[in-house]
Amino acid sequence: DGGITQSPKYLFRKEGQNVTLSCEQNLNHDAMYWYRQDPGQGLRLIYYSQIVNDFQKGDIAEGYSVSREKKESFPLTVTSAQKNPTAFYLCASSILSGSRTDTQYFGPGTRLTVL
Amino acid sequence: GIQVEQSPPDLILQEGANSTLRCNFSDSVNNLQWFHQNPWGQLINLFYIPSGTKQNGRLSATTVATERYSLLYISSSQTTDSGVYFCAVVSYSGTYKYIFGTGTRLKVLA
Repeated sequence: DGGITQSPKYLFRKEGQNVTLSCEQNLNHDAMYWYRQDPGQGLRLIYYSQIVNDFQKGDIAEGYSVSREKKESFPLTVTSAQKNPTAFYLCASSILSGSRTDTQYFGPGTRLTVL
Repeated sequence: GIQVEQSPPDLILQEGANSTLRCNFSDSVNNLQWFHQNPWGQLINLFYIPSGTKQNGRLSATTVATERYSLLYISSSQTTDSGVYFCAVVSYSGTYKYIFGTGTRLKVLA
């Protein structure tokens, strides 16, 4: 099946630990995105990448890091520097076509809880 | 940057009722999408609609780009329509960025 997968679905972390969230897509999309959602809130952009080996900071990049070594993969690391990491993390992807970007598709999300 | 505002923030309907959700944005945009977030957190694409009108079953959407707003219409609402509805716009300043509104939380009562 084509789509976006995120793992794990639930993740528990002790304070002071780094943790990496996985995001894989087999849609052959150029662009990939990471968002954070807090309870009852909208989505905030953490990082995005439009081509392999290149990525840009979003609105709330502090305490997070990413890599884009392959077109289909865009892992997110939540570092110990992130002061309040408990949240729902969503990965998305879209096609880039010339001067426009197309429909954005989302994975099922990872719920991270810091104990 | 572009501001995206959605109204109303909360909406409660009786099953079978119709509703209109609004999305206002503060600058010209490359595209606009509507999403439904179900109770499990999954975001589902409803419409990709930078301008004009589209319909899909009981749902339809209209974007008037020159006036910087979009409307999502839900007719004959069902309990499965409950959840949060988000609009997102794309701005371009060297790279593309999606900016999400704060959402409309809809509850449909049986």
